[in-house]
Order: sequence, then structure tokens, then C-alpha cells
Amino acid sequence: GAVVSQHPSWVICKSGTSVKIECRSLDFQATTMFWYRQFPKQSLMLMATSNEGSKATYEQGVEKDKFLINHASLTLSTLTVTSAHPEDSSFYICSAPMGGTSNEKLFFGSGTQLSVL
Amino acid sequence: KQEVTQIPAALSVPEGENLVLNCSFTDSAIYNLQWFRQDPGKGLTSLLLIQSSQREQTSGRLNASLDKSSGRSTLYIAASQPGDSATYLCAVGPNHNAGKSTFGDGTTLTVKP
Repeated sequence: GAVVSQHPSWVICKSGTSVKIECRSLDFQATTMFWYRQFPKQSLMLMATSNEGSKATYEQGVEKDKFLINHASLTLSTLTVTSAHPEDSSFYICSAPMGGTSNEKLFFGSGTQLSVL
Repeated sequence: KQEVTQIPAALSVPEGENLVLNCSFTDSAIYNLQWFRQDPGKGLTSLLLIQSSQREQTSGRLNASLDKSSGRSTLYIAASQPGDSATYLCAVGPNHNAGKSTFGDGTTLTVKP
């Protein structure tokens, strides 16, 4: 099956620092990738849609200057949490649709647990 | 706005039992429905994808059904094993955009040896 690699799997940082999370599609090209946030025992909330070669589309209530998304190639999207604060601590997961179009089966990365001290 | 509910929130069964997980959704105008498995602290693994025109999908010991008109899907797990212990999420996809799927909160399954 398709593989989506997400790195790092966990990160601990001080308040005020920026953290970059990478999401790679290893065996297929993805013009679109998705970034989610998940709180303990809750479901996934879509944060933004990452579009290769163009600006990301953010969901309502998500600060685009806080969560910078870059999709520079067909296999890599990055999420940078800028000036992280404790309330940004969460589990972040990316996904990519197999086949590249947005209506295909979703494959997920393994997630990144962010802890901001 | 689509709402997805999964009942029960947690389920514990002895090994070998057959079980059913439920997923209900409020808006029947869906494109597809996908069942996922999530292990603690991990990402999601796709189990089954049902297109809106389909009634069910099967993979090994798993069978997922879809009744779009009543807004329900079930995931049937046959002959459960301790390795099946995980959280199972269903996600309902709107037209042509899997990424905007609405996820349920999941059912946490524990299969006891």
C-alpha cells in the first residue's frame, strides 16, 4: 500500500520557538496533502489543505501565520508551527490521497506529538 | 454541517468474539466512507473504503457496510484477536474531497486474551 512518512514523531520545544514537521509521500506523488490536529481522545480536525505549487487553504479558525504550510514538491509538504506556545501542544497528522486527486483513498503519516514547555 | 457519531466509545470483548462497531452520520449526501484503525500515539491506517454507490466492502476478517439513506455504517470484525485492540475511526467524505472528511471520535476496542 501507499506510504506516507511523517517526521519527527515527537518533539519537545520551549515556548516561542518554531517547529517544522515534514510529510512525505514515499511511493506516489501528491499534489494535495492535508494537515490535521488531534486532541487526546478526540477525533481529527482538518487544519489546512496543502497544495503543491500554490498557497495552502486553511480551515476557518486556523491562523495561517501561525501554522505555515509549504508544499514545494509533489512528495513533500511541511507544517511549521511558529512561535509555539503550550496551547499548541497536540498531535499533528498529515495525509495524502492516493492517486493525487482529492477524492481518493487517504493515507496517513504516523503523526507528530508536539509538546511545548 | 456533517456530524459523525460512533457508538460505543469503548468496547471490551474476549478473544474470538465477533463484534460490530457503529458509525452514524447526519447528512446522507456523502461521496465515500472510510474506516481507519489508530494505535495509541500513531497515525491512521486505512482499513476499508466504501464509495457512496456501494453497500459493503470486505477485507479478511473485516466487513464494512453502508446504508446511505439511513446514515449508517457498521464495521464487523470476525473472530477478534488481541492484536485488533485499537481505536477505530470512521470518516465520511463529502463530494470529491477526501481531505474534508468528517471524522467520528472513534471506538476504542480492547480484545482480551
